[in-house]
Amino acid sequence: EAGVTQSPTHLIKTRGQQATLRCSPISGHTSVYWYQQALGLGLQFLLWYDEGEERNRGNFPPRFSGRQFPNYSSELNVNALELEDSALYLCASSFSGRAAIDTQYFGPGTRLTVL
Amino acid sequence: AQSVTQLGSHVSVSEGALVLLRCNYSSSVPPYLFWYVQYPNQGLQLLLKYTSAATLVKGINGFEAEFKKSETSFHLTKPSAHMSDAAEYFCAVSEGEGAQKLVFGQGTRLTINP
Repeated sequence: EAGVTQSPTHLIKTRGQQATLRCSPISGHTSVYWYQQALGLGLQFLLWYDEGEERNRGNFPPRFSGRQFPNYSSELNVNALELEDSALYLCASSFSGRAAIDTQYFGPGTRLTVL
Repeated sequence: AQSVTQLGSHVSVSEGALVLLRCNYSSSVPPYLFWYVQYPNQGLQLLLKYTSAATLVKGINGFEAEFKKSETSFHLTKPSAHMSDAAEYFCAVSEGEGAQKLVFGQGTRLTINP
């Protein structure tokens, strides 16, 4: 069974541009989560989508947004890129968003570099 | 809000020695606790999770963790370290029903000496 997949693996942008990151959850999973892993800041929760709806949001500015498609895949958009947005962006999925007990399974990440 | 503290950003042990990675949590409700491992240039892999069914939780690759409510701890151990255990380890707590977000500790980098 395929795990969580993310694309692209690496992304290089310049300040002010927009970045789009994609995630496909494990088959049968309806919840998708996004985390940012920036150097020195650790792993920070960004967004949670379940059944096509944004359910929770971390402490990030509105230029971080996303959506979940009917097939449960997800897209993270980062507008007006800043240098400090350089990080590894991890996507995770879980069977459902019904319970905090559900295990989140992580993808390999997208490395975003902002020049 | 829940929080996690991992004591020691870097732990170094000899091959065959005991591995002990410390994690303390703060939670206002019975917590769901997780340990994940991250190998270089990879995502996170679940090692084990605590769901209140048993205080001693066994995970993959010979790791286990014990939940101690009185100490608010969930330390990760492995009796005998292997070179392949070298990685970064993250303890996390689920922020609870309806939030579904994981709050991570800062991570502990484990180095294994031959």
